Amino acid sequence: SYELTQPPSVSVAPGQTARISCGGDNIGGNSVHWYQQRPGQAPVVVVYDDGDRPSGVPERFSGSKSGNTATLAISGAEAGDEADYYCQVWDSSSDHYVFGTGTKVSVL
Amino acid sequence: EGQLVETGGGLVQPGGSLRLSCAASGFTFSFYWMSWVRQAPGKGLEWVANINQDGSEAYYVDSVKGRFTISRDIAKNSLSLQMNSLRAEDSAVYYCARDLVTVLRGVPSRWFDPWGQGTLVTVSS
Repeated sequence: SYELTQPPSVSVAPGQTARISCGGDNIGGNSVHWYQQRPGQAPVVVVYDDGDRPSGVPERFSGSKSGNTATLAISGAEAGDEADYYCQVWDSSSDHYVFGTGTKVSVL
Repeated sequence: EGQLVETGGGLVQPGGSLRLSCAASGFTFSFYWMSWVRQAPGKGLEWVANINQDGSEAYYVDSVKGRFTISRDIAKNSLSLQMNSLRAEDSAVYYCARDLVTVLRGVPSRWFDPWGQGTLVTVSS
């Protein structure tokens, strides 16, 4: 089955840039979407289609992809960015949605 | 923008049944695929099932096939998940979410926005 691997945790100092990776076979051939989940809340999409931002999401959030790895970058990290972040792709061969393992971002 | 509100969660014994509902508002419900996604305590996200606009197509993750049934009532702007033969490993917060479809460089993709606040299902004796 399709798997997406993320680092369990990432720490970043306030004002610096956090980068979260998402790796998987053939990820280069699929659009990658990213969700932020603050403690006790539902997920919210912050990047879709590799690098597009929904309206209302700060420009500090950006997505990119190279080969079989996608990356979510959070620049100018703030305390409010502390959350779990998940990548997601749609596997057209199985018509299933696949989520990454999730990354806890701490702003220290 | 859209809003989704789930109800129906609770405590159920192994082997029991539960029906979750999701009320949609703020968008044209009949235009969109809809999904259920779950999250076990302290764990990651897992897509469970989705259904097309008129309810004629539905897909499930292998672990719930034959036990869960997704359905929708377009007149009531409502999505449901009937869960039978529940197991301890089905314990989770269940979210309903709207499916969005986009095409990038000729390749279609699906993602979720918005999500409901979730409803907790606990399967335990």
